[in-house]
Amino acid sequence: DQQVKQNSPSLSVQEGRISILNCDYTNSMFDYFLWYKKYPAEGPTFLISISSIKDKNEDGRFTVFLNKSAKHLSLHIVPSQPGDSAVYFCAASDAYNQGGKLIFGQGTELSVKP
Amino acid sequence: GAVVSQHPSRVICKSGTSVKIECRSLDFQATTMFWYRQFPKKSLMLMATSNEGSKATYEQGVEKDKFLINHASLTLSTLTVTSAHPEDSSFYICSASDSPGLSETQYFGPGTRLLVL
Repeated sequence: DQQVKQNSPSLSVQEGRISILNCDYTNSMFDYFLWYKKYPAEGPTFLISISSIKDKNEDGRFTVFLNKSAKHLSLHIVPSQPGDSAVYFCAASDAYNQGGKLIFGQGTELSVKP
Repeated sequence: GAVVSQHPSRVICKSGTSVKIECRSLDFQATTMFWYRQFPKKSLMLMATSNEGSKATYEQGVEKDKFLINHASLTLSTLTVTSAHPEDSSFYICSASDSPGLSETQYFGPGTRLLVL
């Protein structure tokens, strides 16, 4: 079963506008969530994370929101830039019980058009 | 930042042969390495977790005799796909961590594309 889901395989946004990438999870034991960015033929690179005790974490143009009751998180990128075009994966971990094990979503391919 | 390399980046082999993929942490000592597999348009699926000097812990459904993992040193882990078949064709990615309890400290390699003919 897919414990972490990204239901939108792709997203296209105009440069300068906001990109919103969504992620849902089913396991209530997850207590740490991360977003990774991945270019073709490269490994994922860490972008931003959020602990389950918070509902928002901001880092420059990137903000992650967590809604625990809905088991939903989202990544906001504003303003979007063409260099943001990549595949974005959300990942979750049960850090207390499972240590560093990450469960990934299927990814959303973001395309930012000039 | 921490650098993790994988070798080879791409390999094509005949069905029935074995393929070894190396994962190296270049500028830090990785107490834990993770091996993932990614199918096209799918998520990265964790295959196994390996700690230096001990046996790997495999995820449910992953055949340990099929995917042999050796974490011989703090900078090197290898994944050997034994008697490879076309269905083993995939993108294999490793990650390395010196603080395995902290998910952010997993640094990913660039991946290895395996094609079994």
